Amino acid sequence: QVHLVESGGGVVQPGRSLRLSCAASGFTFSNYGMHWVRQAPGKGLEWVAVVWYDGSNKYYADYVKGRFTISRDNSKNTLYLQMNSLRAEDTAVYYCARDQVLRFLIGAFDIWGQGTMVTVSS
Amino acid sequence: QSALTQPPSVSGSPGQSVTISCTGTSTDVGSYNRVSWYQQPPGVAPKLMIYEVTNRPSGVPDRFSGSKSGNTASLTISGLQAEDEADYYCSSYTSSTTWVFGGGTKLAVL
Repeated sequence: QVHLVESGGGVVQPGRSLRLSCAASGFTFSNYGMHWVRQAPGKGLEWVAVVWYDGSNKYYADYVKGRFTISRDNSKNTLYLQMNSLRAEDTAVYYCARDQVLRFLIGAFDIWGQGTMVTVSS
Repeated sequence: QSALTQPPSVSGSPGQSVTISCTGTSTDVGSYNRVSWYQQPPGVAPKLMIYEVTNRPSGVPDRFSGSKSGNTASLTISGLQAEDEADYYCSSYTSSTTWVFGGGTKLAVL
């Protein structure tokens, strides 16, 4: 069965760092682009970042560019999101999501994890 | 990267049809057929309902259909059922090689 499981969320002070992980199983992880999407409490979905299936390209939303880094380890079937200089407005549930098409990106997020909550507060 | 514009809420009675609009610009919805729609009931992760404007993943009922005209994409749900009550989000690829979501629409089945 295809699964994505996020971990690493928690409560962190403004300006500090946190690293999220997303463990994939049930499919050939190295064949798919992967995204991070977040959702602040009571708010809508917000796209955060994408990494190509082979890690060769990465793109970010303007509101996280320069602070967040997306990466992947295909040998460990794991996606990461390194979050630095965290702000209160980064408080959200963070989801990892698979892009549906093999070795291409169409922005069809067909598999989602259950999400991990990040709270930025002093 | 402004969010795509969706109506905050729509409603319909069982058996009726509803349409949710998603308006972007010429740098996203208007220029690419990479528009997707997601259904999110309270407290759970989103589910892909439509991709590439009109395509349905396997398992999604054919009551759900998508279309696009100019800078506006639409999701139509026909034969409304109580289980369709949820939040719905559109998303689109943009010319900046990023993605953007709509603000979300709450569907009430009366």
